[in-house]
Amino acid sequence: DGGITQSPKYLFRKEGQNVTLSCEQNLNHDAMYWYRQDPGQGLRLIYYSQIVNDFQKGDIAEGYSVSREKKESFPLTVTSAQKNPTAFYLCATFKERDRGGYTFGSGTRLTVV
Amino acid sequence: DAKTTQPNSMESNEEEPVHLPCNHSTISGTDYIHWYRQLPSQGPEYVIHGLTSNVNNRMASLAIAEDRKSSTLILHRATLRDAAVYYCIQSRGVGGTSYGKLTFGQGTILTVHP
Repeated sequence: DGGITQSPKYLFRKEGQNVTLSCEQNLNHDAMYWYRQDPGQGLRLIYYSQIVNDFQKGDIAEGYSVSREKKESFPLTVTSAQKNPTAFYLCATFKERDRGGYTFGSGTRLTVV
Repeated sequence: DAKTTQPNSMESNEEEPVHLPCNHSTISGTDYIHWYRQLPSQGPEYVIHGLTSNVNNRMASLAIAEDRKSSTLILHRATLRDAAVYYCIQSRGVGGTSYGKLTFGQGTILTVHP
């Protein structure tokens, strides 16, 4: 079945370290998104990419970086510049012709220790 | 993206209909209304979306007011598996499509009682 794979499911990071969250999709969707969710809150957009080799900042891009070298992959790096990185991170894809709307992965829970 | 207004929480009994309201008073002509729901520690799941006309699918119905300033998500027969946080999202379409980044508010926590 087609879908989105986010890995790892749980990630622990020491302060000052960069970590990379993986997002892979086999849905052949053009657009990919990274959202952050804090406890009891809605999702906030970090970065999004509409095509390969192109991406735009979302509402809370500071302290994060992304790349889109392949259509299937949109990794997110949480850098040491992100002051409060502990959160639930969700990757999503979208294809206009797909009437099912946006598809989300199962998320990565990042904890700074 | 403009924010929508939803009640913080609602309750329902199993097998009864549920009407989840959403206000989007600043909606413009190309803005779509999307509904997603989320279970704890999972990614949101698409429920339904629409522009002007009422929409039906296997999961739910979406009733959009004539002035489009409000809408209602209707679950015809609630089950325990419908207990989730429901997000109503107003998204500006791009190029005549429903394409647009989504801004999630805090949503409505739906509790379903057996």
